[in-house]
Amino acid sequence: GAGVSQSPSNKVTEKGKDVELRCDPISGHTALYWYRQSLGQGLEFLIYFQGNSAPDKSGLPSDRFSAERTGGSVSTLTIQRTQQEDSAVYLCASSTNAGGTEAFFGQGTRLTVV
Amino acid sequence: AQSVTQLGSHVSVSEGALVLLRCNYSSSVPPYLFWYVQYPNQGLQLLLKYTSAATLVKGINGFEAEFKKSETSFHLTKPSAHMSDAAEYFCAVSDRSNYQLIWGAGTKLIIKP
Repeated sequence: GAGVSQSPSNKVTEKGKDVELRCDPISGHTALYWYRQSLGQGLEFLIYFQGNSAPDKSGLPSDRFSAERTGGSVSTLTIQRTQQEDSAVYLCASSTNAGGTEAFFGQGTRLTVV
Repeated sequence: AQSVTQLGSHVSVSEGALVLLRCNYSSSVPPYLFWYVQYPNQGLQLLLKYTSAATLVKGINGFEAEFKKSETSFHLTKPSAHMSDAAEYFCAVSDRSNYQLIWGAGTKLIIKP
């Protein structure tokens, strides 16, 4: 596609429910990143994919969070048993693995846990 | 491990004044360096990047940044601030071995009329 696409753009869920957030990166981009941005805060790194593997998942805040990437393309971030503190904007970015190339960001998914 | 430090979570300048946002990185090898901007309720977009060509890099909206190896810095400047520059600015570094992006905490730029 022309840009990084994230869906849904907004998600309201009840505490305790599971949610899935989707990221469709730019075609051909091998690197994919998930970040979380709470209100007024900076970027919190969650996980980095290189192709289908995740060499760095150190940012996942708890075992309720998981992510996968299939076919070197679409990625899904899953949050199980959501808590109110999970409310944030979840951003996805992708880039090629050529040196010096920038990451392109999606518009994010705003997750609200009520 | 790489790290990025942005000095000042908030910077306030008057309209028309010089903008200076600071970014320092830690790396034994000059990395790739990036500045991104996030306007309110929008995603992040690239302002400029350094990839080992010219040390003074010009970006969009009149911003520029200078790579200084001796100071391990990549500060962002703009000669004259506009109200429309009010946003959050993020510095990022990319390791030349694995290309993973490491981000600073961000600096919120406030423009006073």
